This record gives sequence, structure tokens and C-alpha cells, in this order.
Amino acid sequence: KQEVTQIPAALSVPEGENLVLNCSFTDSAIYNLQWFRQDPGKGLTSLLLIQSSQREQTSGRLNASLDKSSGRSTLYIAASQPGDSATYLCAVPREDDMRFGAGTRLTVKP
Amino acid sequence: SAVISQKPSRDICQRGTSLTIQCQVDSQVTMMFWYRQQPGQSLTLIATANQGSEATYESGFVIDKFPISRPNLTFSTLTVSNMSPEDSSIYLCSARGGGQGTEAFFGQGTRLTVV
Repeated sequence: KQEVTQIPAALSVPEGENLVLNCSFTDSAIYNLQWFRQDPGKGLTSLLLIQSSQREQTSGRLNASLDKSSGRSTLYIAASQPGDSATYLCAVPREDDMRFGAGTRLTVKP
Repeated sequence: SAVISQKPSRDICQRGTSLTIQCQVDSQVTMMFWYRQQPGQSLTLIATANQGSEATYESGFVIDKFPISRPNLTFSTLTVSNMSPEDSSIYLCSARGGGQGTEAFFGQGTRLTVV
């Protein structure tokens, strides 16, 4: 059974800092891994999708890496801004739907 | 990418009543799903909405409580029936264009409060 874990559960940083969010999964036989952002009380916004054959994906200040063999992914956020404050979730496919981590709640202080 | 419109965005309902949530995708998609997110929790799958047939429910969720329709490849509804305060959650619609290798997209969510 696929389990997804995210560390830390919460993170507070000053504006401008670079930071790393961690995601681990127990079954390395995945098609891909997806990172999402969720603002309070809202839906999920897809940030990055990494296919199993890829090691990295970049979008602006975001960079996600994937190491299937060790069951890990990281989301790197460069030069953080207060607008980055949100919960970040990683997810992997599970049959037809997805298995989600519990998320990392990020606060970027001005 | 797919754009998903979900409505209503929020509602406050009386216990014992029902609420229907609509999900419209701007392109035809193979898979549509409904999730529930209770306060402070991650997402839990309610069911897979199947086009032209009955939805496939996860353990702990039943059709009488959460009837789902999917009349075509771009639209689905979820009804929360006979609501109680325990149904207060965010309900999320999701869609995927193909199988496990394709990207998943989500609607804006429906924040439901039952009083």
C-alpha cells in the first residue's frame, strides 16, 4: 500500500529565504509525482508534474526533483515571497486516483 | 492543461438538507473524481465518477449519502444528502485526461458548513 509522507508539517521563514520541502513515498513503482499548492479553503493548483523517467522539473522559482529508487522528492522554492504562503502537497498515482501527503504549511514572513 | 469550474464555492446549509455541487471541465477528460478534505486533514477520495454508469465509491462512502452523476465527458455533480455537521468539509472535483501518467487538475473547491 502506497504511503506518502511530507516533512516538515509546517515551516515559517523570512522573506527571501530559499527553502526545501520534502516528500517520501513507500512504493517506488510510480508513473509520476505531482506537487500542488492549496490556499486556505480553496482547491488545489498544480505546480509541477515529474514523470518517472525525469529527475527534475522547473517552473520559475520552483524546482522539483525525483529520486524513485529512494522514494523521495523535494520541492525547492527560491527567494521566497509572502505570496508563497500556502500548503504544499505532493501526490502519486494510486490505481486511477492519487495518494496525497498531509502537506507542508508554509508561512513566509515579510 | 484543463480548467475546472466548480460551484458553489461555499455554502452554509441546514442539517437534514441536501446540496448539489457541480463540476465543469473545459475539455473532455477520461477520469473525474470527487474528494473530501476535512478541517486540517489531507484529501480523501469519495468516488470515481464514471461516464454513463454508476460511480465507484471508496470504502466508507455510499451512494445514498453521496449520489454522483456524470452525464458526459466534461461534467459531473456530487450531492451531499441529509447533511449533518460532520459533513462540514471542503469538497473537491478533480479530472485527468488519461491514465496514471497524466497530470491531475482540481476545481476551486466547495467549502461546506452544516449548521
